[in-house]
Amino acid sequence: GAGVSQSPRYKVAKRGQDVALRCDPISGHVSLFWYQQALGQGPEFLTYFQNEAQLDKSGLPSDRFFAERPEGSVSTLKIQRTQQEDSAVYLCASSSGKPTEAFFGQGTRLTVV
Amino acid sequence: AQSVTQLDSQVPVFEEAPVELRCNYSSSVSVYLFWYVQYPNQGLQLLLKYLSGSTLVKGINGFEAEFNKSQTSFHLRKPSVHISDTAEYFCAVVSNDYKLSFGAGTTVTVRA
Repeated sequence: GAGVSQSPRYKVAKRGQDVALRCDPISGHVSLFWYQQALGQGPEFLTYFQNEAQLDKSGLPSDRFFAERPEGSVSTLKIQRTQQEDSAVYLCASSSGKPTEAFFGQGTRLTVV
Repeated sequence: AQSVTQLDSQVPVFEEAPVELRCNYSSSVSVYLFWYVQYPNQGLQLLLKYLSGSTLVKGINGFEAEFNKSQTSFHLRKPSVHISDTAEYFCAVVSNDYKLSFGAGTTVTVRA
């Protein structure tokens, strides 16, 4: 596609439910990033992939968060046993190399009720 | 670790007036600096970036920013704003060679 595509755009989950958020990066982009943006705040780094390798997951807030990119293209961010504090917009970005040319998707707004 | 401070959380401005959004960063090494814009319910769009070279950087939509190493600042300016410039603006710096660290954002509201 022409840009980074994220789905779903909106997700409402009941507390304790598992969710999966999908990111389709720009074709050919080797680097993929996930960020979490809480209401009224700037995005916070979650994790970084280079192709299928997850090189940095230091930003994942707990072991309930898990990200994968098995074939070096599409990535999925999974949140298990969602909590209210997980409510945020989850942004995906991709780049052909370093983040100096990162392109962001429109995000998935997760609301945990 | 590198960090960014956006000094203004909200900036109201009249249409066709100039606007300046302030950003200071902390870093002991070379920096890459960015300004992004986020329209309601949208992702982030890159306005401009400083990697090296000229300290005055021109971006899209008539925005420009000046890198000031001695003051560790990267303020964003536009000489004449439009209603369509109403949005959230984020300053960011790269750390660890790949990780973007963002400021808390500045909400710009343009009034007629």
